[in-house]
Amino acid sequence: NAGVMQNPRHLVRRRGQEARLRCSPMKGHSHVYWYRQLPEEGLKFMVYLQKENIIDESGMPKERFSAEFPKEGPSILRIQQVVRGDSAAYFCASSPRTGPYEQYFGPGTRLTVT
Amino acid sequence: GENVEQHPSTLSVQEGDSAVIKCTYSDSASNYFPWYKQELGKRPQLIIDIRSNVGEKKDQRIAVTLNKTAKHFSLHITETQPEDSAVYFCAALNPAGNQFYFGTGTSLTVIP
Repeated sequence: NAGVMQNPRHLVRRRGQEARLRCSPMKGHSHVYWYRQLPEEGLKFMVYLQKENIIDESGMPKERFSAEFPKEGPSILRIQQVVRGDSAAYFCASSPRTGPYEQYFGPGTRLTVT
Repeated sequence: GENVEQHPSTLSVQEGDSAVIKCTYSDSASNYFPWYKQELGKRPQLIIDIRSNVGEKKDQRIAVTLNKTAKHFSLHITETQPEDSAVYFCAALNPAGNQFYFGTGTSLTVIP
């Protein structure tokens, strides 16, 4: 059973470009969570999705950020018109159900905005 | 929303000594508290968790204690080894069960 997959592992974008980060949850997991980790900081919740639904996006910046989890294919976190402050590691996690259960993390995508 | 504070931010111990990391949370209705270990450049991995109906849980050299009244929980690592060196994060699950709030991490260094 493959773990949570994320790609790309490293992404470099110039200011103003778009960044697309992909996350494939573990097999059988229908709940996906995205977190952002700034250098030497903790994980900050961004958004929680189930297939075709955004359940909680209270941690997402109001502008430039969007997320989706289509019926087929990976979950995608999209950042439009990136700025230097978007440079961070973005982790996704998946779980088989909501509630008090382990979230399994992917290896992360390290975004660098130049 | 929930607020999780974690202390200390850095911790150095001699190999074989114990390490203790403490977290406090604000929402008394939070009911699940996992601890994650993150090695440099790698993904966070669950090492132990505790639910609010349990006061203590142990797994070999690792234990977690929960004080619901005081709203704090602690990670205890005994007989530390160099491979225990990593950043440790505590977390609390909100009552709705859909969002984890993470502490800011403790960088543990075990000195051989």
